[in-house]
Amino acid sequence: DTAVSQTPKYLVTQMGNDKSIKCEQNLGHDTMYWYKQDSKKFLKIMFSYNNKELIINETVPNRFSPKSPDKAHLNLHINSLELGDSAVYFCASSQVSRRGHSTDTQYFGPGTRLTVL
Amino acid sequence: AQTVTQSQPEMSVQEAETVTLSCTYDTSENNYYLFWYKQPPSRQMILVIRQEAYKQQNATENRFSVNFQKAAKSFSLKISDSQLGDTAMYFCAFASRSYNTDKLIFGTGTRLQVFP
Repeated sequence: DTAVSQTPKYLVTQMGNDKSIKCEQNLGHDTMYWYKQDSKKFLKIMFSYNNKELIINETVPNRFSPKSPDKAHLNLHINSLELGDSAVYFCASSQVSRRGHSTDTQYFGPGTRLTVL
Repeated sequence: AQTVTQSQPEMSVQEAETVTLSCTYDTSENNYYLFWYKQPPSRQMILVIRQEAYKQQNATENRFSVNFQKAAKSFSLKISDSQLGDTAMYFCAFASRSYNTDKLIFGTGTRLQVFP
């Protein structure tokens, strides 16, 4: 059974388009994250949600909007895509005992490779 | 702000040999976690090992072990009996236990190549 899944795995689109990446976890975790891995393989946090509430928003352009309909899902919508948005986007989840206090390991999805032409 | 440094961009090792990957970090906090993640060519991020800062004993997972030196802020990964399947990028990561800092801070990674 897949623990953290993302769709799609590959996304190729034109500059200026709007696209979404979906993430689902079946681990029963209450916290989910989006990370961006750039072309040099550097990984950086973008957002985290705890029980559908935004906890972390790390200086990400407003064109990126996460949405968490429930604690098992965290989607990432990107408006007006730019060339610099090309990257691999990872979703992750963990169990946090109470707000802001990380107590457990983060488990990652398979990543979505976004290519903006 | 916390930082994680991996000073070895690339390493190589012969199959069945032992290799050590270096990681140092900077933090003023006392409670935190440290992790090593592996990213093979499939791009999946796989947890290798985890260390809680309050534990003095070094974590071990089969062929993987760490040398955690809290005072020196060093967290190296030792891979024993290297296998071809260990070929991957290895990332060291830090996670604070402080309020509202629930995120992983990654190093830049070390690309490990295991040769037959």
